Amino acid sequence: QKEVEQDPGPLSVPEGAIVSLNCTYSNSAFQYFMWYRQYSRKGPELLMYTYSSGNKEDGRFTAQVDKSSKYISLFIRDSQPSDSATYLCAMSQYGGYQKVTFGTGTKLQVIP
Amino acid sequence: DADVTQTPRNRITKTGKRIMLECSQTKGHDRMYWYRQDPGLGLRLIYYSFDVKDINKGEISDGYSVSRQAQAKFSLSLESAIPNQTALYFCATAPASGTGELFFGEGSRLTVL
Repeated sequence: QKEVEQDPGPLSVPEGAIVSLNCTYSNSAFQYFMWYRQYSRKGPELLMYTYSSGNKEDGRFTAQVDKSSKYISLFIRDSQPSDSATYLCAMSQYGGYQKVTFGTGTKLQVIP
Repeated sequence: DADVTQTPRNRITKTGKRIMLECSQTKGHDRMYWYRQDPGLGLRLIYYSFDVKDINKGEISDGYSVSRQAQAKFSLSLESAIPNQTALYFCATAPASGTGELFFGEGSRLTVL
């Protein structure tokens, strides 16, 4: 079993839809939770990060962490064609050795 | 200009050849990483370095070696390339803050025939 599980998609939605992307994990030591966005032929770029449980909002993006369920989500409101990309969840433990474990990524396509 | 620059961006080589992928950064970060990305497997850590004198193996280091020539330069070598090393390779950097935020280059696509 992988430490981090993520549905690979692809996920296709119409413009303006609310998108929900999710990951589950098995390592209870994870403290930092991140979402990276990767456009085609580009490197991943950090989109959101949260520490421990709770919600974080940034514009149209909301990240949620539920440590009790070992489940994290990224919501995209009013999705735009420019949101079409692969979204990777990532997690790391607190301090020291900075090993980041990535999900396999979910490919999202927003149809105009 | 990109903060994290990888060269070459694309390379096709033959089995048994030695290949070097180079990474340089202008972000001033101490920590540098090499990852490979494969469909269905995601990003996997090959090697990482917290400073010039510190080199550590990641989860899939067999068949690879690295060199940290300076704070800003971190190279990945494949001494004798094999077809299952065909992948997209990413260099990344990070500040020493410990949150896990990584800054990636644009990737080097390597094909081993």
